[in-house]
Amino acid sequence: GDKVKQSPSALSLQEGTNSALRCNFSIAATTVQWFLQNPRGSLINLFYLVPGTKENGRLKSAFDSKESYSTLHIRDAQLEDSGTYFCAAEEYNQGKLIFGQGTKLSIKP
Amino acid sequence: DPKIIQKPKYLVAVTGSEKILICEQYLGHNAMYWYRQSAKKPLEFMFSYSYQKLMDNQTASSRFQPQSSKKNHLDLQITALKPDDSATYFCASSQDWGGRAEQFFGPGTRLTVL
Repeated sequence: GDKVKQSPSALSLQEGTNSALRCNFSIAATTVQWFLQNPRGSLINLFYLVPGTKENGRLKSAFDSKESYSTLHIRDAQLEDSGTYFCAAEEYNQGKLIFGQGTKLSIKP
Repeated sequence: DPKIIQKPKYLVAVTGSEKILICEQYLGHNAMYWYRQSAKKPLEFMFSYSYQKLMDNQTASSRFQPQSSKKNHLDLQITALKPDDSATYFCASSQDWGGRAEQFFGPGTRLTVL
């Protein structure tokens, strides 16, 4: 089965609303990264997490290694937030990221 | 200025031919990686290098050969190209291999095999 499961697979939001994306891990993840893939295809780093929480502007992310999940919260969604969000996990000393399937987020005016 | 450069941005090849995808990073990182993103699968890890040494190879085929001529270079040679090789290939780098090191990605090379 999938080692990194993302949900939902797609999400459509009205501008100004909030959303929560989630990743569940069936591996012993030690670090998690969140990326936004923009319409041009570039992968933009959003967060790099060891267990704990980080916040950056309207974005907030948490990683709980014991419960094997991570979340990404988007507050006051803007049109430029549209794209596909990926989480990726790394097991200790494996040197590779294992990606989820992505959440395609569409923001409507 | 872009910190991870991939060339070319787009590549069209015929079945059976050979191509080389170029990656250079100017972040001073010691570890470099290749990932592939196809329409049918999520981003998947291919190779990792640390100080120009191969650390991990998750590709099933020997048609994919990474080449590291310099510490900040990791090219990907693909031989006997097949239509199934069509994908976007991303190069990435991190300060160190394994442990706790954030990975940063280049803009990708979109390969189409006809």
